[in-house]
Parts: sequence; structure tokens; C-alpha cells
Amino acid sequence: LAKTTQPISMDSYEGQEVNITCSHNNIATNDYITWYQQFPSQGPRFIIQGYKTKVTNEVASLFIPADRKSSTLSLPRVSLSDTAVYYCLVGPTDTGRRALTFGSGTRLQVQP
Amino acid sequence: GAVVSQHPSWVICKSGTSVKIECRSLDFQATTMFWYRQFPKQSLMLMATSNEGSKATYEQGVEKDKFLINHASLTLSTLTVTSAHPEDSSFYICSARASDQPQHFGDGTRLSIL
Repeated sequence: LAKTTQPISMDSYEGQEVNITCSHNNIATNDYITWYQQFPSQGPRFIIQGYKTKVTNEVASLFIPADRKSSTLSLPRVSLSDTAVYYCLVGPTDTGRRALTFGSGTRLQVQP
Repeated sequence: GAVVSQHPSWVICKSGTSVKIECRSLDFQATTMFWYRQFPKQSLMLMATSNEGSKATYEQGVEKDKFLINHASLTLSTLTVTSAHPEDSSFYICSARASDQPQHFGDGTRLSIL
């Protein structure tokens, strides 16, 4: 499975837009990019998934360039409750029988 | 949709006790369920992959006789930590996945062995 590289930590303030970039240079043709959010003592929560270009849902946007070797999670107007660890994962959805492998994640700290 | 329920959320027990953790997909049928382990300030580490009706596949270094996994149906998987010791104390998280869908995770079980 493709290895991912993310910044270890990021700081932001309430109301700002936060962009977290993930590198996945050896992404395979059938790999999707999935982002999860994890709060302390909770399981990861699915945020967004994409294959190419741009995907947007009610909580975030995911930007994927044409070469797919990186992706950027964009969180608009963050609040204190967005303080969490964000994981970028790359892998095939195919039959669903293979687990996604977690990297170190990005610890986002939002301040007032 | 895509809710995964994990029970119990927290358990404390004496060394030598066996502990069972349940993982249920509430509103979908899971092709596969996964069990992860997470230590403080660290990322999730995959322990095993479980397909309904077949034996679980364990990751390298995970003792299959220590961590028994049963996947009896498309909505239920259990992890039993046998003869638990303090070094088994950790945060255990299950995940379920339907074909061509993202993995969805339970809220984890905090296991403390005294």
C-alpha cells in the first residue's frame, strides 16, 4: 500500500481555513485517497474520500492534482472543536478486504 | 449511515482475565472487519483482518492465540484478549467495511489490566 507523508502538527485560529497536505508519491492506479479525523479516546471518523480533481462535502474539500502524488484536505473556517488528529490514507476500495494503513497523522491545534 | 458500534467502551480487569470486545456494524453488512490497536500519542496499528465465516489474518508480530477473533456474521466480530496482562493494556479499535465503501470505525475500547 502507498505510504503517506503528512506534517506532524499544525496550528490555526478559529475562523481560518486550514489546508493539510499529504504526499503519496507511489499511489497506484486503483488507489483512492481517504481522510479521517480522530479525537482523543475515540475511533477515527470518516471525513472525505476522492480519486482525482476536487471533492466537496458538508465538512471539507479534498483537492487532488492531476498526477495524484499528493492531496490537500481543506477545512473551511475551523473552530475549537476541529482540534484533532487528521489522517490521510491511500488504498484500493475494490472488494474491501484489505485494511487501510495509518501513517503518523497531523495534529491540528485550533486556538481562540 | 455506516455506524459501527463497539462494546464495551472501557474495561478494567485483573491480570490473567480474558476480555471480549464486540464490534457490530449497525446499518450495513460488512464484507470485512478489522481490529487495530493504538498506544497513547501513536497511530493506529492493524492487528488483524477478519472476513465473515473464515479465519482471521493476523499481522506480523500479533499472537493469534492471544488475540482470538471470531467473525460469526456480516454484522458482528469479536476480539478476545486471552489471559490478559498489563502489557496488553491499550486502546482497541474495530473497523468495518462493505465492498467499495470506506472503512468506518467504532469508538474504541480502553482496556486496562491491573
